[in-house]
Amino acid sequence: DAGVIQSPRHEVTEMGQEVTLRCKPISGHNSLFWYRQTMMRGLELLIYFNNNVPIDDSGMPEDRFSAKMPNASFSTLKIQPSEPRDSAVYFCASSPVGTTTDTQYFGPGTRLTVL
Amino acid sequence: KQEVTQIPAALSVPEGENLVLNCSFTDSAIYNLQWFRQDPGKGLTSLLLIQSSQREQTSGRLNASLDKSSGRSTLYIAASQPGDSATYLCAVGGGSEKLVFGKGTKLTVNP
Repeated sequence: DAGVIQSPRHEVTEMGQEVTLRCKPISGHNSLFWYRQTMMRGLELLIYFNNNVPIDDSGMPEDRFSAKMPNASFSTLKIQPSEPRDSAVYFCASSPVGTTTDTQYFGPGTRLTVL
Repeated sequence: KQEVTQIPAALSVPEGENLVLNCSFTDSAIYNLQWFRQDPGKGLTSLLLIQSSQREQTSGRLNASLDKSSGRSTLYIAASQPGDSATYLCAVGGGSEKLVFGKGTKLTVNP
């Protein structure tokens, strides 16, 4: 298995632009998680899906952030409009079971820089 | 609100040394605790998962212990190698709640 796939690996954009991050979970996994990692705050869960349904989005920082999972093999995290403080590494992870607390498999991350 | 602290933030040791990484959490009502490894520019890899009913888990040269009552976990690495150099993160799960991560300990093993 190829593992969790994220694209792009690096994204540089200007403030105010729309950014879309993409994730393909491991086949057969039914939970998907979006995290953000910064030096100041560490790793934070933004949102997670179970069987394509958003379960907990309380970590989404603002209305500028939105996430979708149209099917079991694809998810997006969108930031519109982007701001410099959104600069971080965004990770996607998937899990074969239905809670947040079983082993999760992480993708390589997308490093986002907003100028 | 669960808070997870890892001390020290960074650790440098010579190759071959046995070492202990520490993790503490504020709420002892946890479902499980996990230790992850993160290499630069890469995602996290799960090393060990300890359920709340367990006291420890072992994998190769790694041993993780859990003391729920005191809110502590340790990751013991035996006979450290340069390839062990990475950031080690502790994460606590509370059932249906989110995984709460510590900020990690950056380990450097010098040849």
